[in-house]
Amino acid sequence: QVQLQESGPGLVKPSETLSLTCTVSGASSSSYFWSWIRQPPGRGLEWIGSIYNSGRTYYNPALKSRVTISGDKSKNQFSLRLSSVTAADTAVYYCAAQEYTWMAVPSWFDYWGQGTLLTVST
Amino acid sequence: QSVLTQPPSVSAAPGQKVTISCSGSSSNIGNNYVSWYQHLPGTAPKLLIYDNDMRPSGIADRISGSKSGTSATLGITGLQTGDEADYYCGTWDSSLTAYVFGTGTKVTVL
Repeated sequence: QVQLQESGPGLVKPSETLSLTCTVSGASSSSYFWSWIRQPPGRGLEWIGSIYNSGRTYYNPALKSRVTISGDKSKNQFSLRLSSVTAADTAVYYCAAQEYTWMAVPSWFDYWGQGTLLTVST
Repeated sequence: QSVLTQPPSVSAAPGQKVTISCSGSSSNIGNNYVSWYQHLPGTAPKLLIYDNDMRPSGIADRISGSKSGTSATLGITGLQTGDEADYYCGTWDSSLTAYVFGTGTKVTVL
């Protein structure tokens, strides 16, 4: 069974860089795309980006200039960095394991972490 | 602003059926597989349908998915109070080179 757990600071100041880590058990880095999704309060789900095998990445075009997703195979972890945060980045952040199609593009989300609330405030 | 449009809400009485539409374009639904998720407050989203119409193990057969052209539909029959949740469609958008979620639909059991 694949399990994911997000960890992070909970509170970040405006203009700073948000850093979150997802620890994975029960799967290798080549089994899935590893992804970040968020849900701002009162709004819908928003895909942030995905990484495969600690290499190939895809990012949401609306966030691409501020986002970096990286992987650490030795620790079975992958991470999200989002720079220059504002109050609009306040959200519950989820990490997830994402299947991929025969064309090697991300497809459905199979497993999810429980989510972590990240608040941007002074 | 999502490229996949869903109705904001649908409702029906217990035991009845609801359908949720997800409208997109040729760059997303028209040429890629659709998945559907149930999201209850305070919990992780749950996969209900993948590859347009496939149910993961453990998902009841009263849940169904279909796709036609640039639209997809999720159906829930035998509606139960436990089905009250938000539902999202999702797919890859080949033009954006990005995964996109629908706007979300709140299901209310009357």
